[in-house]
Amino acid sequence: EAGVAQSPRYKIIEKRQSVAFWCNPISGHATLYWYQQILGQGPKLLIQFQNNGVVDDSQLPKDRFSAERLKGVDSTLKIQPAKLEDSAVYLCASSFIPASSYEQYFGPGTRLTVT
Amino acid sequence: AQTVTQSQPEMSVQEAETVTLSCTYDTSESDYYLFWYKQPPSRQMILVIRQEAYKQQNATENRFSVNFQKAAKSFSLKISDSQLGDAAMYFCAYRSARQGGSNYKLTFGKGTLLTVNP
Repeated sequence: EAGVAQSPRYKIIEKRQSVAFWCNPISGHATLYWYQQILGQGPKLLIQFQNNGVVDDSQLPKDRFSAERLKGVDSTLKIQPAKLEDSAVYLCASSFIPASSYEQYFGPGTRLTVT
Repeated sequence: AQTVTQSQPEMSVQEAETVTLSCTYDTSESDYYLFWYKQPPSRQMILVIRQEAYKQQNATENRFSVNFQKAAKSFSLKISDSQLGDAAMYFCAYRSARQGGSNYKLTFGKGTLLTVNP
């Protein structure tokens, strides 16, 4: 079974530029999560999708971050314009719902550096 | 809101020895799940072990076991016979057992960096 795929693995941009990350979850997984992991901290949920609908985006900075999940499969997370404090690893995870199987499977992450 | 605290930023252990990583959490819920995730330098997060709060028996997975103290809200991870491949960042995480919606999200601690010395 293929795992969660993410691209790019690394990205360096200047502040005020825009950037987009892509995630392809495990086939059949209805729920998709984007986490932000700042250096020295644990991952923090930014947004959660159930199929192509948003379930929780309470911690997404909506003035600069946006996300979508096309046709309930792939997802993109965009930052526009980027700030220095957005430097972090962005992790995508997916899980199969109904929640009888509750494990979240994580991708390798995208390391973003904003200069 | 739930919080997860890992008070040991770094730990080290000799190969073949045993090490225990600590985790405490705060919640008003009675039913939930607790997890330990491992994040090697390649950054892909891997589930190590999970515990259902309604189960009194501590979970074990090969060399990994937990000490779950519900009343104390404590959830420690014991790694026996440590191997070089165990070196990684370890995260403790909490998830509500409530069904639906945002209840499936994980709340993580800040992590413990484990070094295994040969």
